[in-house]
Amino acid sequence: EAGVAQSPRYKIIEKRQSVAFWCNPISGHATLYWYQQILGQGPKLLIQFQNNGVVDDSQLPKDRFSAERLKGVDSTLKIQPAKLEDSAVYLCASSSSVAGQYFGPGTRLLVL
Amino acid sequence: GQQLNQSPQSMFIQEGEDVSMNCTSSSIFNTWLWYKQDPGEGPVLLIALYKAGELTSNGRLTAQFGITRKDSFLNISASIPSDVGIYFCAGSTSGGGADGLTFGKGTHLIIQP
Repeated sequence: EAGVAQSPRYKIIEKRQSVAFWCNPISGHATLYWYQQILGQGPKLLIQFQNNGVVDDSQLPKDRFSAERLKGVDSTLKIQPAKLEDSAVYLCASSSSVAGQYFGPGTRLLVL
Repeated sequence: GQQLNQSPQSMFIQEGEDVSMNCTSSSIFNTWLWYKQDPGEGPVLLIALYKAGELTSNGRLTAQFGITRKDSFLNISASIPSDVGIYFCAGSTSGGGADGLTFGKGTHLIIQP
């Protein structure tokens, strides 16, 4: 069974630029999550989707971050405009309602 | 917001030693999970616990869901070099762990030759 796929793996941008990350969950997993992991910390939930609907986006900085999952499968997370403090690893995870969440390899973002 | 206190922050052990780490919370969680993260990779699920008092093993790993639902521990027996990495505890308020997870800050496991 293929795992969670993410791209790109690395991205370097300058502050005030925009960036987008892509995630394809494990086949059949209805729930998809985006987490932000700052160096030295555990992941922090940004947004949770159930199929193509948002379940929880309470910790998403909506003034600059947006995410969508239009067809209930893959998802994109966008940052516009990026700030220095957005430098982090952005992790996508998926779940089939029980048995835990499975993470992708992450996208490492560096904002200069 | 909810916070998980994970300890120790780091561990320096010899190969073959047993390892114990734990996680505590001021609030109740209905699911506890333990993950391992290697450099440059995403967290990998090791053990999921769904019931207070549950004790679950996965090879050399054993984890328990505390009776109060506010804590969990992970033990690793007879450590080997590939056990090196960062171990995270995570809690969910939902019974199946489907809600967003709250993570601890991680325990860095380092095995000295």
